[in-house]
Amino acid sequence: GEDVEQSLFLSVREGDSSVINCTYTDSSSTYLYWYKQEPGAGLQLLTYIFSNMDMKQDQRLTVLLNKKDKHLSLRIADTQTGDSAIYFCAEGNDYKLSFGAGTTVTVRA
Amino acid sequence: DAGVIQSPRHEVTEMGQEVTLRCKPISGHNSLFWYRQTMMRGLELLIYFNNNVPIDDSGMPEDRFSAKMPNASFSTLKIQPSEPRDSAVYFCASSNLQGMKFFGPGTRLTVL
Repeated sequence: GEDVEQSLFLSVREGDSSVINCTYTDSSSTYLYWYKQEPGAGLQLLTYIFSNMDMKQDQRLTVLLNKKDKHLSLRIADTQTGDSAIYFCAEGNDYKLSFGAGTTVTVRA
Repeated sequence: DAGVIQSPRHEVTEMGQEVTLRCKPISGHNSLFWYRQTMMRGLELLIYFNNNVPIDDSGMPEDRFSAKMPNASFSTLKIQPSEPRDSAVYFCASSNLQGMKFFGPGTRLTVL
């Protein structure tokens, strides 16, 4: 999606933290989302944040939202091999979601 | 909860043949979406239904593509005739009243 930009690749060592960044353009989005796609599978809703929040923590996942800069990030603490996947940032209202191109996260031993 | 169910999971067909993809949304979800995913174009929204009614089909590539939702628990996406450039993974998703989208496992379509 041209309205959502992400870096394409991230390589991280097992046990380290991963940080995936995303920028978006639509400031009217009510929610912003992170989806995870494992090889050969569909998109799994990983977490989301309401647009009036700055941060949301869910176990190993931390979402940070900087609404002024239209910047969203996903931090995965203690990254495991099972976290290897493509992570999509998405934003939008009502039914229309704009997805980024996805960040491929590779976890190396 | 079985999640969104799609069939078939894989489809290989020859150019010119008709292809029908099927989707069963999560029970109670009032919106259904068909997406296409390719390496070149990423995820594209093809069509969106709300309460079984097509609301936005502006993403449908051309007249060869059609989608129906005869009831709240079933939808089809049909391509007739199929072409090699239709090869992609087609996802169905449904959403609840809060707008949270849940995706099916996808149908990997290969048109030879």
